[in-house]
Amino acid sequence: LAKTTQPISMDSYEGQEVNITCSHNNIATNDYITWYQQFPSQGPRFIIQGYKTKVTNEVASLFIPADRKSSTLSLPRVSLSDTAVYYCLVGDLINAGKSTFGDGTTLTVKP
Amino acid sequence: NAGVTQTPKFQVLKTGQSMTLQCAQDMNHNSMYWYRQDPGMGLRLIYYSASEGTTDKGEVPNGYNVSRLNKREFSLRLESAAPSQTSVYFCASSDTGTLYNEQFFGPGTRLTVL
Repeated sequence: LAKTTQPISMDSYEGQEVNITCSHNNIATNDYITWYQQFPSQGPRFIIQGYKTKVTNEVASLFIPADRKSSTLSLPRVSLSDTAVYYCLVGDLINAGKSTFGDGTTLTVKP
Repeated sequence: NAGVTQTPKFQVLKTGQSMTLQCAQDMNHNSMYWYRQDPGMGLRLIYYSASEGTTDKGEVPNGYNVSRLNKREFSLRLESAAPSQTSVYFCASSDTGTLYNEQFFGPGTRLTVL
């Protein structure tokens, strides 16, 4: 199983861009990188997924370098409602159970 | 579509009691999962089911059993509850094998074992 390492917490201010980096040194060839967001008292929610280079959707961008040993979730112009825990997962798309949630990064957005 | 539903939302048990947590999804997903989340920590996988009729252990299976009743339903049973099983339990489902293995989570069951 690919182990992931993220910062425990980050602070930001409204309107800033936030970048959260995840390290996954033993990522396997078939593994994808997926990010989830979790608000208090709710289940996690999918944000974005990628395999290499850059992926962008309406809420975030995901940057993955060529060696794929790390990835960076970028949240543009955060607001107070982006305060949440963000999890980085690494695993393949076929075999259920090979992705594990770490302890995540608690992002606090201040006014 | 209701997505992933879980019952009950809250439960208090005494040590040694048993109970079953129910989970159902209406998205025709083939994979389903049970996680537990202790306060201030990430989710840990208890069991998962890659398809109807199959189940496999995750990271923390001890003290739990599961049943994949059909494609829609995946239940988690605590045979003899212990205080260490006090946690929030999340069920999830996904359409494994598609381009995006996005897991959809239920609202959770908050379990307290006294």
